[in-house]
Amino acid sequence: GAGVSQSPRYKVAKRGQDVALRCDPISGHVSLFWYQQALGQGPEFLTYFQNEAQLDKSGLPSDRFFAERPEGSVSTLKIQRTQQEDSAVYLCASRGGRGGAAPSRYNEQFFGPGTRLTVL
Amino acid sequence: AQSVTQLDSQVPVFEEAPVELRCNYSSSVSVYLFWYVQYPNQGLQLLLKYLSGSTLVKGINGFEAEFNKSQTSFHLRKPSVHISDTAEYFCAVSAAWFGNEKLTFGTGTRLTIIP
Repeated sequence: GAGVSQSPRYKVAKRGQDVALRCDPISGHVSLFWYQQALGQGPEFLTYFQNEAQLDKSGLPSDRFFAERPEGSVSTLKIQRTQQEDSAVYLCASRGGRGGAAPSRYNEQFFGPGTRLTVL
Repeated sequence: AQSVTQLDSQVPVFEEAPVELRCNYSSSVSVYLFWYVQYPNQGLQLLLKYLSGSTLVKGINGFEAEFNKSQTSFHLRKPSVHISDTAEYFCAVSAAWFGNEKLTFGTGTRLTIIP
């Protein structure tokens, strides 16, 4: 496809269940980001991959959150033992190229439509 | 670390009137600045970005923004709004050095166009 896709678009889980959210980045994009957007808030960074390497996971709120990108393409965000405070929209973004500090090497992040997770 | 403040959570504007959405940021390092738009049930779309050079940047859909380093601001403007501009607008910042490309967003401004 032409853009970033995420599945499922909507997920309802009972408290304590495990969930897995999938992100299909734009083909060939090296970098992949996960963000969490709570109701009425801006997105907040969770984690970042370059190819299959997870370079930054400083935003993951607890050890119940785990992300992987084993082949450097599709990524899965897993949340174990979901809690009500995990209810949010989870956004995935991908970016082509290796990027760089210089403005001439900056590459835009392209966002998917998100997965809305509701924990009851 | 960086932070972004969007003081206006909601801005109602009459159709064809001008609009300004305010954004202030805080950072101890040089930054890149962005405005994103989010339509209902859709992902974020980049409106415009400031990386370097001219402080006045133009984006899609007739929007523009001006980077003011002394006031640490990056306000978004449009001279005449249309019904289709109704959406949530997010200001975002990232550190301008390789290895820290994550975006830090403000809380958003909901723009409502009144016919």
